[in-house]
Amino acid sequence: KAGVTQTPRYLIKTRGQQVTLSCSPISGHRSVSWYQQTPGQGLQFLFEYFSETQRNKGNFPGRFSGRQFSNSRSEMNVSTLELGDSALYLCASSLVGDRGKGDTEAFFGQGTRLTVV
Amino acid sequence: DAKTTQPTSMDCAEGRAANLPCNHSTISGNEYVYWYRQIHSQGPQYIIHGLKNNETNEMASLIITEDRKSSTLILPHATLRDTAVYYCIVRLRYNTDKLIFGTGTRLQVFP
Repeated sequence: KAGVTQTPRYLIKTRGQQVTLSCSPISGHRSVSWYQQTPGQGLQFLFEYFSETQRNKGNFPGRFSGRQFSNSRSEMNVSTLELGDSALYLCASSLVGDRGKGDTEAFFGQGTRLTVV
Repeated sequence: DAKTTQPTSMDCAEGRAANLPCNHSTISGNEYVYWYRQIHSQGPQYIIHGLKNNETNEMASLIITEDRKSSTLILPHATLRDTAVYYCIVRLRYNTDKLIFGTGTRLQVFP
């Protein structure tokens, strides 16, 4: 079956703009989580969604937001972009929250590399 | 903050076993140990997980000490394609997908 799909793969934006990243989870997965990876801070948890509800949120400013749709697809939005938002943004999906449906390891997409200039 | 500590880097000869240690002295009774790896600029890849028993799959073996304060990931016959950053993570298995990544171990497999 298809893995986690993130679009676009690469993006260049200007400071002050906003950006929306998309994530399509593995079919049947209702849990989607987002991570930011930078050379300085490593991999950091942004937020996770389950059945359209945000279940957990990391320590990021309110400029970072997300949502999940009824088909489990998820988007994250970053408003008023700053140079420091340049990063690899990773999405993962899993069966967490669906006990008995299988193992709960998270499967990651290839990420969206955002460059803010 | 990450609940695990790992060596920053390790080397391993191709064909030999790679043993990657991880300390998780504050692990709670219902937390599992998960291992992921990340090959350069790709998304992390799940390897294996365990609670208290040793586990083995087609990729690796996981040895967890009896007190559960540390574990070792074993790649039995390392290949050049195993060169990656390896992350050891402790997490609740069912309630959340939140993964707290530490700095990981950069494993370099050389010919």
